[in-house]
Amino acid sequence: AQSVTQLDSHVSVSEGTPVLLRCNYSSSYSPSLFWYVQHPNKGLQLLLKYTSAATLVKGINGFEAEFKKSETSFHLTKPSAHMSDAAEYFCVVSAPGGATNKLIFGTGTLLAVQP
Amino acid sequence: NAGVTQTPKFRILKIGQSMTLQCTQDMNHNYMYWYRQDPGMGLKLIYYSVGAGITDKGEVPNGYNVSRSTTEDFPLRLELAAPSQTSVYFCASTPGGGHYGYTFGSGTRLTVV
Repeated sequence: AQSVTQLDSHVSVSEGTPVLLRCNYSSSYSPSLFWYVQHPNKGLQLLLKYTSAATLVKGINGFEAEFKKSETSFHLTKPSAHMSDAAEYFCVVSAPGGATNKLIFGTGTLLAVQP
Repeated sequence: NAGVTQTPKFRILKIGQSMTLQCTQDMNHNYMYWYRQDPGMGLKLIYYSVGAGITDKGEVPNGYNVSRSTTEDFPLRLELAAPSQTSVYFCASTPGGGHYGYTFGSGTRLTVV
């Protein structure tokens, strides 16, 4: 079975400092992994995805994530936080080859950016 | 392209009332999904469909029903609304293959009082 664990429910950073949102996954298969962002009262937007190509994945708005199979991790990073990054972030796993293509969501990390 | 369109955006229901949440996509995606989002719980899968005429239960199907008569439409029906169904509901679609990820609608915020 597939699952994801987001290690922090809340993260607070100062504007201009690095962001690190942690995610560990569990999968019986070679997984596809995603990060989605949800701004307040908005829908979910895809930030980036890993699908067994390069292990360092670059996404929108300066975010990137590194797939580490040995650590079963897919942490999201950004060198310098901006006020507009304040949102909730979801780590998501999918098992390729399944007939249903269901995604499994983590419980989310709420990122606060202080001025 | 409009992507995935959900209506209504907000709704207040009284206990025992029924309603249908509409979801339409114009991307010719075969796979469609309904999730509910509760604070601190992430997204839980209610129902999904792998194509017109085919639907199946997700993690939390009780109190809901769906149909998929066309590729474009995937409505979610609440027959007897209960306070436990107060949530934000998201519809999503994907062309197929787990590596695509989903395209989400903007959500329906439902309150049952």
